[in-house]
Amino acid sequence: GAGVSQSPRYKVAKRGQDVALRCDPISGHVSLFWYQQALGQGPEFLTYFQNEAQLDKSGLPSDRFFAERPEGSVSTLKIQRTQQEDSAVYLCASTLGGGSEQYFGPGTRLLVL
Amino acid sequence: RKEVEQDPGPFNVPEGATVAFNCTYSNSASQSFFWYRQDCRKEPKLLMSVYSSGNEDGRFTAQLNRASQYISLLIRDSKLSDSATYLCVVNKRGSGNTPLVFGKGTRLSVIA
Repeated sequence: GAGVSQSPRYKVAKRGQDVALRCDPISGHVSLFWYQQALGQGPEFLTYFQNEAQLDKSGLPSDRFFAERPEGSVSTLKIQRTQQEDSAVYLCASTLGGGSEQYFGPGTRLLVL
Repeated sequence: RKEVEQDPGPFNVPEGATVAFNCTYSNSASQSFFWYRQDCRKEPKLLMSVYSSGNEDGRFTAQLNRASQYISLLIRDSKLSDSATYLCVVNKRGSGNTPLVFGKGTRLSVIA
């Protein structure tokens, strides 16, 4: 079946521009996670949802980062006024819940110039 | 101190070699432990979960020592296709559906 999909796969933004990254989880998966992976580092947690409820946003690095999942399926991660330090791969993962495996999407590679 | 620490490598080993990776974690509340594999410019994929009793999956053996907060992965009879970055992962808290905390990864290159 279809896995987690993310779009766009690549995004180049000018510093100060707003960007929106989309995640389509596996159908029926209750929980959705966003991670940020800088070059040479492991992924770092940003935020997660259970259905439409955002249960933890403690990893969002600043108030320029905002995530939503209004209907409990597709999620959007928005970054306002992008900075060079926002350049990274943004990974989305979904899971059925109950501690089951998190399945990752291919990521969106963001480059801020 | 980072929550999950592992030797970044790289480990360059010949085909057929046995290689071991170690990691330590700092959060005693973590209840779930994993090794993920990440190929270059790809997403992480679950390699195996790690249980206190130790577990084996083919050429891969994982061990967990809760008292020392130490996790290991042993790869026997290395193949060229094992070349990747291996990420040590724990969950943030408790059990169930919680965020994952990743180490920086250990890079393995298996050479012919």
